[in-house]
Amino acid sequence: DAGVIQSPRHEVTEMGQEVTLRCKPISGHDYLFWYRQTMMRGLELLIYFNNNVPIDDSGMPEDRFSAKMPNASFSTLKIQPSEPRDSAVYFCASSLGRYNEQFFGPGTRLTVL
Amino acid sequence: AQTVTQSQPEMSVQEAETVTLSCTYDTSESDYYLFWYKQPPSRQMILVIRQEAYKQQNATENRFSVNFQKAAKSFSLKISDSQLGDAAMYFCAFRNYGQNFVFGPGTRLSVLP
Repeated sequence: DAGVIQSPRHEVTEMGQEVTLRCKPISGHDYLFWYRQTMMRGLELLIYFNNNVPIDDSGMPEDRFSAKMPNASFSTLKIQPSEPRDSAVYFCASSLGRYNEQFFGPGTRLTVL
Repeated sequence: AQTVTQSQPEMSVQEAETVTLSCTYDTSESDYYLFWYKQPPSRQMILVIRQEAYKQQNATENRFSVNFQKAAKSFSLKISDSQLGDAAMYFCAFRNYGQNFVFGPGTRLSVLP
């Protein structure tokens, strides 16, 4: 398997624009997690899905953030409108079972100007 | 809530030497899992080693081993025969049943030639 795939690897956008981050989990994994990493706050869990269903989105910072998982092989994290403080590295991770090892994607570095 | 503390923001080690990274956590649970993840400059999060709290034997993976002291809630990572490729951020992570992963703030390890 190719591992968790994220796209794009880098995204630079202007404040107010919509940003969509994409993730393809490892085939067969039933849990998918979205994390945000910043210097100030470290790794923060934003939301996670089980069998394509959002289970806990309490980490999503604001209504500007939304996530979907239309099928077992694809998830998106959308920020609309984006703000400079959203600049961070966003990771997607998947696991087989909620408590097993999480496999991380390479991350998307988002810069909002 | 569970917390994970890594008291060493930065560490350095001479190539071929041994280094120990510290991690402490806070929990009232008795069953849980602990992990060390490595994040090299490529940003990829890579699982280094995991430890089940119910196992008394310390986990070992090649040059990586842990010193798990359950009573002290301590979970340190020892890297033997350090290599240049070991240079990375190292994150200690905790999870128990009913909780998601909680990551520590990380320790940046430099390996000096």
